[in-house]
Amino acid sequence: EPEVTQTPSHQVTQMGQEVILRCVPISNHLYFYWYRQILGQKVEFLVSFYNNEISEKSEIFDDQFSVERPDGSNFTLKIRSTKLEDSAMYFCASSRRGADTQYFGPGTRLTVL
Amino acid sequence: GEDVEQSLFLSVREGDSSVINCTYTDSSSTYLYWYKQEPGAGLQLLTYIFSNMDMKQDQRLTVLLNKKDKHLSLRIADTQTGDSAIYFCAESINSGAGSYQLTFGKGTKLSVIP
Repeated sequence: EPEVTQTPSHQVTQMGQEVILRCVPISNHLYFYWYRQILGQKVEFLVSFYNNEISEKSEIFDDQFSVERPDGSNFTLKIRSTKLEDSAMYFCASSRRGADTQYFGPGTRLTVL
Repeated sequence: GEDVEQSLFLSVREGDSSVINCTYTDSSSTYLYWYKQEPGAGLQLLTYIFSNMDMKQDQRLTVLLNKKDKHLSLRIADTQTGDSAIYFCAESINSGAGSYQLTFGKGTKLSVIP
């Protein structure tokens, strides 16, 4: 069964450094998402992406964040200058159409020191 | 604004039924979901229900939807120790331009006592 994959599974970085989190969505899916979950808290929507552009973003997704689909398979989340409060589990998800079920990857745990 | 509420903890004995409840606020939600998260793991889609249905059964899982009260429940029959996890309720909201975002509850931690 096709699944969303994410790399790395765990990323440790120093405050102020740039990180890129990578995702490979399910191959025939057209909508891509990033969510994050700070430890012990609810999963929060960050951004949705369709047709090579951002469809919607939350207030969390400020200028430090960007997303890209650099080729036909990868979908990336970049955090330009990480802060301590960016430490969280970041989940990528994809769906075939906008209203369809979103399938989540296993997540990348980001630790900012 | 949108909000999804769930009780935080539920403890049941192995073999009993578990019922996890959720309330949501957006009446325009098209789909409502239950995701399962085991410790240190990702979000596993358990089941979902379309907003024009009131019940869906899938093996040991039964989802009930009361659209008038904006209440969703997940019943797990014959609960097993492997069902111990955090269960998230989520509503799907049209955020424009054909894309939908999920709003999650805080999750209900289900503990199954052997």
